[in-house]
Amino acid sequence: DTGVSQDPRHKITKRGQNVTFRCDPISEHNRLYWYRQTLGQGPEFLTYFQNEAQLEKSRLLSDRFSAERPKGSFSTLEIQRTEQGDSAMYLCASSPSGYEQYFGPGTRLTVT
Amino acid sequence: AQKVTQAQTEISVVEKEDVTLDCVYETRDTTYYLFWYKQPPSGELVFLIRRNSFDEQNEISGRYSWNFQKSTSSFNFTITASQVVDSAVYFCALNSGGYQKVTFGIGTKLQVIP
Repeated sequence: DTGVSQDPRHKITKRGQNVTFRCDPISEHNRLYWYRQTLGQGPEFLTYFQNEAQLEKSRLLSDRFSAERPKGSFSTLEIQRTEQGDSAMYLCASSPSGYEQYFGPGTRLTVT
Repeated sequence: AQKVTQAQTEISVVEKEDVTLDCVYETRDTTYYLFWYKQPPSGELVFLIRRNSFDEQNEISGRYSWNFQKSTSSFNFTITASQVVDSAVYFCALNSGGYQKVTFGIGTKLQVIP
């Protein structure tokens, strides 16, 4: 499978715990994006990497959220001190050109 | 600021009917890109099409066609002879201003009834 992969696919955590998600983009894509999607809504942009550099961040990305792409390949998204409002689908996408973005299957987070 | 409006939240059609999904966008930029994505029940977003603001030609791909009209800031999507496999949520999206952020609409849930 040469598409975007995300791990885990589902995560249930208790409020206050930290969680980390991983995204592996399509191998030749140097651009990587994180989005959040809540039920009944479209994806909302969180952040963008070109290679290892984080170039754009949304105001949605509070201080509890941090994303990294240390070697310009896979990326991680960490949420500290999770809150119930963090429950959502976290989507990763990659792109070779900055135009079409190819999405992974997402990680569904449930905070209890 | 950029905004995408999909006024139809849910549409139901009977198989083989044609259906048009509406999309209206707002941006102050002269260079922008419009997209349509499909999200089937499995959840993974599937890229369908990209258009740039300088190309108003309509596009047809099999049973899918797109009508881009800058005069009305619309980028509508038509499925001809709909099939049950077309049942999904369809998102219209916009990228402008030289940023990488893509703004999505709320989505239109299409149900094709056999």
